[in-house]
Amino acid sequence: QSVLTQPPSASGTPGQRVTISCSGSTSSVGSNYVYWYQQLPGTAPKLLIYRNDQRPSGVPDRFSGSKSGTSASLAISGLRSEDEADYYCAAWDDSLSGPVFGAGTKLTVL
Amino acid sequence: QVQLQESGPGLVKPSETLSLTCSVSGGSISSGNYFWSWIRQPPGKGLEWIAHIYGGGSTTYNPSLKSRVTISVDTSKNQFSLKLSSVTAADTAVYSCARTPYSRSYRGWYDPWGQGTLVIVSS
Repeated sequence: QSVLTQPPSASGTPGQRVTISCSGSTSSVGSNYVYWYQQLPGTAPKLLIYRNDQRPSGVPDRFSGSKSGTSASLAISGLRSEDEADYYCAAWDDSLSGPVFGAGTKLTVL
Repeated sequence: QVQLQESGPGLVKPSETLSLTCSVSGGSISSGNYFWSWIRQPPGKGLEWIAHIYGGGSTTYNPSLKSRVTISVDTSKNQFSLKLSSVTAADTAVYSCARTPYSRSYRGWYDPWGQGTLVIVSS
């Protein structure tokens, strides 16, 4: 069972804005930065958001992240067909001395 | 540019030990600034951290797997390895190696990743 809680699925039509939530604990999300990964089928996860709300170079500004307390969210605006993927949140967990991940949210672009 | 590559058997029998190696190129595994990690993903499921080893050799294990896992480093070969004993079908997964900075400000930034290797536990 994943330590971070994400909805199993999300969907939207092209151009829409969708958000994916991620809930953790005080020892994980509440005390550390949140990271978001995008995983396309058959590929390794790709870093999308780091330190809650920062985008690595090359990630479009359509992707944004936020965090409040023990919850975080990923927002994708101007939805495009190529955004269809699995999205994972992650955070360090001080009680584990290692990372915890969400179970992933499958995003479908209708 | 640092690259990681997993290697090892793709099929392991139940009750046996799964052994994988991650070869690191483009940088030194003993630089001391990173955690070198094993992460797995069962088919159709999410990511699970297994263990990591610091460049200096200290190790940390996921408590849920700790009794069965050993992670080690061979600095002469610039590799680190995973051993998972007494495997069952529940250990069938894509196993990936990845790197995250030691700095608390960037723990959780996993990059790069290896391509991942599917290990099936079956007789």
